[in-house]
Amino acid sequence: SAVISQKPSRDICQRGTSLTIQCQVDSQVTMMFWYRQQPGQSLTLIATANQGSEATYESGFVIDKFPISRPNLTFSTLTVSNMSPEDSSIYLCSVTTGEGTEAFFGQGTRLTVV
Amino acid sequence: GENVEQHPSTLSVQEGDSAVIKCTYSDSASNYFPWYKQELGKRPQLIIDIRSNVGEKKDQRIAVTLNKTAKHFSLHITETQPEDSAVYFCAAMNYGGSQGNLIFGKGTKLSVKP
Repeated sequence: SAVISQKPSRDICQRGTSLTIQCQVDSQVTMMFWYRQQPGQSLTLIATANQGSEATYESGFVIDKFPISRPNLTFSTLTVSNMSPEDSSIYLCSVTTGEGTEAFFGQGTRLTVV
Repeated sequence: GENVEQHPSTLSVQEGDSAVIKCTYSDSASNYFPWYKQELGKRPQLIIDIRSNVGEKKDQRIAVTLNKTAKHFSLHITETQPEDSAVYFCAAMNYGGSQGNLIFGKGTKLSVKP
C-alpha cells in the first residue's frame, strides 16, 4: 500500500494568482498522476508526473497552465497557474506501486478561486 | 484513447436489496478494471478489481463480472446496507501500455434506504 500526504487540503485564491499543491508518498512508487474532480463529477486525468522529465499531459491540459514537477520517486507538485473561477475544483494526487495494481489517492485539495 | 461509459448515474435501493452498476469500455487493450467507492468529502477507495484473464471475482457482498468480448463489466452489491450509500466509479487501464493510467466512468450515486 501507499500513504499519500497532499497539501494544502483547501485554499481560497484570488484570480490571476498561482497555487502549488504538494504530494508526498511514504514509499517509492512507479507512477504518479494528477486528477481534477469538479463538484459532483468524475475524476479527469490532468497528467502523468514523470520522474526527472516533463509530465505527460492529457488532451485539454497544457504545461503552461498546470506545470508539474517530480524530482524523485516519492514527491510531486502540481501548480495551477493564472487561476480563474473555472479552476475551482478538487485536485487529487494518485499513485500506483506497480502495473495493474491498486491506485491510491491523496485526500485532495479543494481549490476555490474568487 | 479509452472511453468508459457508466450506468445508471443514480440508483436508489431498499436496504437488503441488490444493486448493479454497469460499465462499458472502448479500448480492447484495457486489461485492468477497478471499482472505487467515494463517500462525500473523502478520497476514492478501491473496493474490488478484476483483470482481463478473469471473468468474475467476489469479495463478500461485492462481486465484479467482466465480459471481454462485449467490453463491459459490472459491479454487484448484495444485501445492501445504508453504509453502502456513496458514489461508485468504474475505471479501465491498459497496464503495460504507454500510460498505465486509469480512465474513469462518470460515477453512480447509490442511495440505500433503511
